[in-house]
Amino acid sequence: DAMVIQNPRYQVTQFGKPVTLSCSQTLNHNVMYWYQQKSSQAPKLLFHYYDKDFNNEADTPDNFQSRRPNTSFCFLDIRSPGLGDAAMYLCATSRGMAGLNEKLFFGSGTQLSVL
Amino acid sequence: DQQVKQNSPSLSVQEGRISILNCDYTNSMFDYFLWYKKYPAEGPTFLISISSIKDKNEDGRFTVFLNKSAKHLSLHIVPSQPGDSAVYFCAAVSHGGTSYGKLTFGQGTILTVHP
Repeated sequence: DAMVIQNPRYQVTQFGKPVTLSCSQTLNHNVMYWYQQKSSQAPKLLFHYYDKDFNNEADTPDNFQSRRPNTSFCFLDIRSPGLGDAAMYLCATSRGMAGLNEKLFFGSGTQLSVL
Repeated sequence: DQQVKQNSPSLSVQEGRISILNCDYTNSMFDYFLWYKKYPAEGPTFLISISSIKDKNEDGRFTVFLNKSAKHLSLHIVPSQPGDSAVYFCAAVSHGGTSYGKLTFGQGTILTVHP
């Protein structure tokens, strides 16, 4: 029973063509995160939502935006994808902010290719 | 500036032997450490964690050791099984400062357990 679902599993887009990745959760968690993972690198936090409060990481490019219309769904929008944005994008949720008693639950990821 | 480092990209071990995966960190604010395991085509899943007030945490075949003075932790798997073959990510979080409530990951170590 998938609890954090990411669609699509693979996404191909063209250079400069906007693309949206989606994430949904059945856990009713308050926090939703988006991580970017490039090949052989550490997953890098882009931003997170705590309920409706959006928190952007300082080094996340403006090209990346996010929306959370309700508790269950969160979207990652890449306004003008460049070749360097090709990566695995991981969505994760937690009940509260990550810490001693709060684990992150991850989706299977969306592998984005930019042609 | 990579605050969590896993310097071994890969590790190969014989079934039944011990697997030791290492992780170093630089941010002294980190006070909670986790290991996640990732199979191909799946998202990372939580494996085991340790608080900075402890130096060891054990869960079945998995033990995590923390050396705060060296800013080093390790994951021991005994005995190793072929089903343990996966990518293992070390992660850290702090309960204060700019990293509050956000997991910072290492780049992962690919563990292969040979029958």
